[in-house]
Amino acid sequence: QKEVEQNSGPLSVPEGAIASLNCTYSDRGSQSFFWYRQYSGKSPELIMSIYSNGDKEDGRFTAQLNKASQYVSLLIRDSQPSDSATYLCAVKGAGNMLTFGGGTRLMVKP
Amino acid sequence: DAMVIQNPRYQVTQFGKPVTLSCSQTLNHNVMYWYQQKSSQAPKLLFHYYDKDFNNEADTPDNFQSRRPNTSFCFLDIRSPGLGDAAMYLCATSRGEYEKLFFGSGTQLSVL
Repeated sequence: QKEVEQNSGPLSVPEGAIASLNCTYSDRGSQSFFWYRQYSGKSPELIMSIYSNGDKEDGRFTAQLNKASQYVSLLIRDSQPSDSATYLCAVKGAGNMLTFGGGTRLMVKP
Repeated sequence: DAMVIQNPRYQVTQFGKPVTLSCSQTLNHNVMYWYQQKSSQAPKLLFHYYDKDFNNEADTPDNFQSRRPNTSFCFLDIRSPGLGDAAMYLCATSRGEYEKLFFGSGTQLSVL
């Protein structure tokens, strides 16, 4: 079974710090990688997508992909209390299926 | 604004009483999905439509059915809800299969 693993957290960081969220996946043929943010009681919202090895930056967010290590991460710079949410990693595998990880709960403390 | 709209936001039903959740989209996306999400768990795909082609996940209970009468609308029917079906139901769309998903606001279903 293809799996996507995330540490459930909570990951607690002080305001202004860098939050680092990690995700590993088992399907070596995976093609596309997504990070969704989900506030409590709300629906997921896409914040980043990455398709090739390396870093992709968008504002305070940086996605990092290492296909050899089957690892994708999300860095949030200058973390704000409004970033407190659950972050879901989603991976599109070789079979064209999308698998979500269980999510990491991030808490940013003022 | 183009969007994915789910109604109602909250739905309460009785054990065994059929219920229908609705989803509409103005994005003109080809693919529509229904996910079930329980507290602190990952969204679980129930089924999806690529245009009119229906794809049912192998472990989706027969109690769950779906209809997509046109590009814009998709419905989730739960024929005989059980207590275990209480969850957030998320509708999502994408232009291509399993590309970037755009979620509606979800319907929180309670079963009494």
